[in-house]
Amino acid sequence: AQTVTQSQPEMSVQEAETVTLSCTYDTSESDYYLFWYKQPPSRQMILVIRQEAYKQQNATENRFSVNFQKAAKSFSLKISDSQLGDAAMYFCAYRSTYSGNTPLVFGKGTRLSVIA
Amino acid sequence: DGGITQSPKYLFRKEGQNVTLSCEQNLNHDAMYWYRQDPGQGLRLIYYSQIVNDFQKGDIAEGYSVSREKKESFPLTVTSAQKNPTAFYLCASSPSLNTGELFFGEGSRLTVL
Repeated sequence: AQTVTQSQPEMSVQEAETVTLSCTYDTSESDYYLFWYKQPPSRQMILVIRQEAYKQQNATENRFSVNFQKAAKSFSLKISDSQLGDAAMYFCAYRSTYSGNTPLVFGKGTRLSVIA
Repeated sequence: DGGITQSPKYLFRKEGQNVTLSCEQNLNHDAMYWYRQDPGQGLRLIYYSQIVNDFQKGDIAEGYSVSREKKESFPLTVTSAQKNPTAFYLCASSPSLNTGELFFGEGSRLTVL
């Protein structure tokens, strides 16, 4: 079974600075999806960014980018120019592509605080 | 607007009572999922359904039951057998082509008194 590990329960960053959230995963599969979801205080889960494992290029969405290291099974999220609205729980998630609509496997999350 | 609607948003129940959480989607998605969220535990999978009239247990299915009689609906019943039901419950769906992300509802907070 796949597992996802987020080793930083809490992180903080100064406004306008850059922060990197770590995520590692364990799988024997070669093709899969990886995601970062944001959960603000409203508790609505919001997709931040996604990465297909077969793509070598790291995904980028505005101020959010990932560092995908397939061999190391690492998938970190970098938030540049941090804003107060970035304060939230961030979850890393894995999804297999091998058997239809498989569920996502989530890490335990990292709580990000942004300091004004 | 297309989306996933969970109700109720907040629910209180006494010990020993069953309670049903509603999840409805109008996204025409084939697959639906229920996750439980506890502090420090992330999201854990309770049940999921890939098509109507079919569903599979997730990692923590004990004390829960589901049905999938319609494509749009995937209700979750928290039974009295669930030993620690107080939690935040999230419903999600995804389209049939397994294109990646799940789409989530706003969640239901269940508190057992």
